[in-house]
Amino acid sequence: QVQLVQSGAGVQKPGASVEVSCKASGYSFRNYYMHWVRQAPGQGLEWMGKINPDGVGTTYGQNFRGRLTITRDTSTNTLYMELSSLTSKDTAVYYCARETGTFGIEFDYWGQGTLVTVSS
Amino acid sequence: QAGLTQPPSLSKGLRQTATLTCTGNTNNVGYQGAVWLQQHQGHPPKVLSFRNKNRPSGISERLSASRSRSTASLTITGLQPEDEADYYCSAYDRSLDAWLFGGGTKLTVL
Repeated sequence: QVQLVQSGAGVQKPGASVEVSCKASGYSFRNYYMHWVRQAPGQGLEWMGKINPDGVGTTYGQNFRGRLTITRDTSTNTLYMELSSLTSKDTAVYYCARETGTFGIEFDYWGQGTLVTVSS
Repeated sequence: QAGLTQPPSLSKGLRQTATLTCTGNTNNVGYQGAVWLQQHQGHPPKVLSFRNKNRPSGISERLSASRSRSTASLTITGLQPEDEADYYCSAYDRSLDAWLFGGGTKLTVL
């Protein structure tokens, strides 16, 4: 069955960078777009960005341009998200989610979420 | 960046019908519709309806999605206690080349 298993993060200091990974299994990882979405405590969902199946094309949300990097490794079926220059506003649960790129099948599977806490 | 507008809360009685709304513009909801997601506290979101208004397998037939111009709606009939959750809409915005989320609606089943 399709699974997206996340790991990484924890407590990070202001100004530092954090990397969260998302390992995919149960489907052909190389054929899907992958997204990162975050949720601050008690708040709604915020789209961060996505990476194309080819691993070359990326699109980042306006709020994250310049400090977000999304990459993927098709040899290990793993998606990565690195966010730099962390502030307390980046404290959130970070989710990965997949998309086929075909109209009508979007965000059908999500990772379990990874809590990133930014604190000195 | 501009987002999608959802009422923050909605309360309905058991076995009643709830209609959740999501308003955008011609570049997002009005362009290709909206995805609907449900989130229970402490869990990741779960997709209820795709942009083409189809439900994923396993999603109850009590849920149906529709769209009128730039407003998407999710109707849940015969409300059950397990329907109490946060509901989010999401749409691709062609002018921003970005996905947007609504602020979410907290549905309370009385």
